[in-house]
Amino acid sequence: AQKITQTQPGMFVQEKEAVTLDCTYDTSDQSYGLFWYKQPSSGEMIFLIYQGSYDEQNATEGRYSLNFQKARKSANLVISASQLGDSAMYFCAMRENSGYSTLTFGKGTMLLVSP
Amino acid sequence: DARVTQTPRDKVTEMGQEVTMRCQPILGHNTVFWYRQTMMQGLELLAYFRNRAPLDDSGMPKDRFSAEMPDATLATLKIQPSEPRDSAVYFCASGRGINEQFFGPGTRLTVL
Repeated sequence: AQKITQTQPGMFVQEKEAVTLDCTYDTSDQSYGLFWYKQPSSGEMIFLIYQGSYDEQNATEGRYSLNFQKARKSANLVISASQLGDSAMYFCAMRENSGYSTLTFGKGTMLLVSP
Repeated sequence: DARVTQTPRDKVTEMGQEVTMRCQPILGHNTVFWYRQTMMQGLELLAYFRNRAPLDDSGMPKDRFSAEMPDATLATLKIQPSEPRDSAVYFCASGRGINEQFFGPGTRLTVL
């Protein structure tokens, strides 16, 4: 079974609108971490945001926020006020504390922001 | 602005040749990861080092791949012999502790 599922292969949004990228995860660990990375066309992987499983507040970093719903095992990324530069692949990833702290990545969602 | 560096950025080689990819982690980072990214498989972990010791290389084909950290400033990933199915982008990432991984720009490998 996939540990990280991103069901949206592609998403379109207009500039200045908000967009939500879905991510669900599967783990039996009580302690784990959830990450979002952005990969623009240049290819580098850019860390965006982190949520720990015991964090009570949803993580926020500027225009990025993570909608963490632990019971539903979802960790959706919300980008507010989309910009053209947000067009990229977005990857959700999980670190399970029972392992060696490595990341398991989802397949990614391609976000295209139009003017 | 500290960054993970990787060399070469692009490599084209012929099947059967040896390929060595290098990574310089960010100074002070004690964890190093090697990932492979393909369209079909996405991002896969190949190897993981903490304090230069290999902790997990279960994702790596052992017969042809090897990963080492000769010192704290250098991590290498070697493929010998290379095959066309090894064509991918190989990323190195480093971090301090378990909640951060900063990725390098990647090495795009093409095996003909």
